[in-house]
Formats: sequence, structure tokens, C-alpha cells
Amino acid sequence: DVKVTQSSRYLVKRTGEKVFLECVQDMDHENMFWYRQDPGLGLRLIYFSYDVKMKEKGDIPEGYSVSREKKERFSLILESASTNQTSMYLCASSLNRPQHFGDGTRLSIL
Amino acid sequence: KQEVTQIPAALSVPEGENLVLNCSFTDSAIYNLQWFRQDPGKGLTSLLLIQSSQREQTSGRLNASLDKSSGRSTLYIAASQPGDSATYLCAVRLRSSGGYQKVTFGIGTKLQVIP
Repeated sequence: DVKVTQSSRYLVKRTGEKVFLECVQDMDHENMFWYRQDPGLGLRLIYFSYDVKMKEKGDIPEGYSVSREKKERFSLILESASTNQTSMYLCASSLNRPQHFGDGTRLSIL
Repeated sequence: KQEVTQIPAALSVPEGENLVLNCSFTDSAIYNLQWFRQDPGKGLTSLLLIQSSQREQTSGRLNASLDKSSGRSTLYIAASQPGDSATYLCAVRLRSSGGYQKVTFGIGTKLQVIP
């Protein structure tokens, strides 16, 4: 069974901090994704990666960057956290079709 | 731009009832459609995936249908149980000539099954 693990379930940070969200998958999937989920807006794609060191912008990349140095790990970076980045962040991985999701990180920026 | 709508936004039913959740999409050039379940504070769990060439998929008490021409999918849950209480999301993957196939999610239907 595919397992996607996000390093933190809950995280509280301050405005201006650099924040790292980590995601690890154990099924050798090429594709990995970062979404944020907000009430009334659904899931929105921030960035995705289809291979090591490869990345593509999603629908809302502003204020974020990503890193994929190893196939199993995909990191989301908030360069300078702001209060409007308070959200639930979900990581997913896939080989071709269905996406497998982690349990999410609820991030609060104070 | 693909838009995915789920109606109703919330639904409350007594245990044992059969129910239907609806998903509509605006662009019929889809690659596949997927139904997910999300429990409070958790990630998404895949329930069923229907390829564009298929009409329906079944898993246990769940049956999902797809009608591309009308831009609709339904998720049928038979003999609902309190454990079915969750938010159900549909996600539509568009066809593309290459590269990433964009996935658009609906906002979901929050289901409550009352014992």
C-alpha cells in the first residue's frame, strides 16, 4: 500500500519566517504534488514535480518554492511566511493515474 | 478553464438510506474522474477512478458513473452507515497533448449519516 508521509500534522510559525514542509513517499512514484486546501476554495495546486530536480508551477505558486533532491522526498518552502498562507497543505504522489495523499499539515502563520 | 461543481454542499441522511452525490464539470475532454473521501483533519483517500472510456466503476457499496457528454458523474452509496460520514470530493483530470494533465477538484459534499 502506498504511503505518503508529511512530517508535521500541525505547525505554528511567525510572519516572515522561512518554513519547510516535508513529504516522503515510499512507492518510487515519479510525480509528486503540493496542494493547499481552504474552505470554499477546494484544493489548489501549488507546485508539482515529475522527476528529481524537476518542478513545475501549479495554479498558485506565488510565495512558495519547492525542492526535489531525491525521488522520494518533495519539500515545500515558504520563503517568508505571511498570514494569508495559513492553510491545510496536502502532499500527493502518483505513478500514472490515481493520486495518493498524505494526512496533511495544518499550518498557522501568526 | 475546467470548473467542477458538487451539489449539494452538505447532506444529512438516516442510516440505511441509499444516496447519490453529484459532480458536474464544464470541459468534457477529460482523461479520467476520481472520487475521494476526506475525513475531518485528514488527507484524501481514493475511492473510485473512472477512465474516460468507462461508464461506471464499483467497489463494495459504492458505484460511480460517468456521462461525459452531459459533464456529470454520480457517486451512489448503498445502505449508508455512520462510518460513511465524511466529505466526498470529485477530481477531474483533463486530457493534454503532453506534460502534466491538470486535475481540478470540486469543493466537496459533506455527508452525515445519522444512526
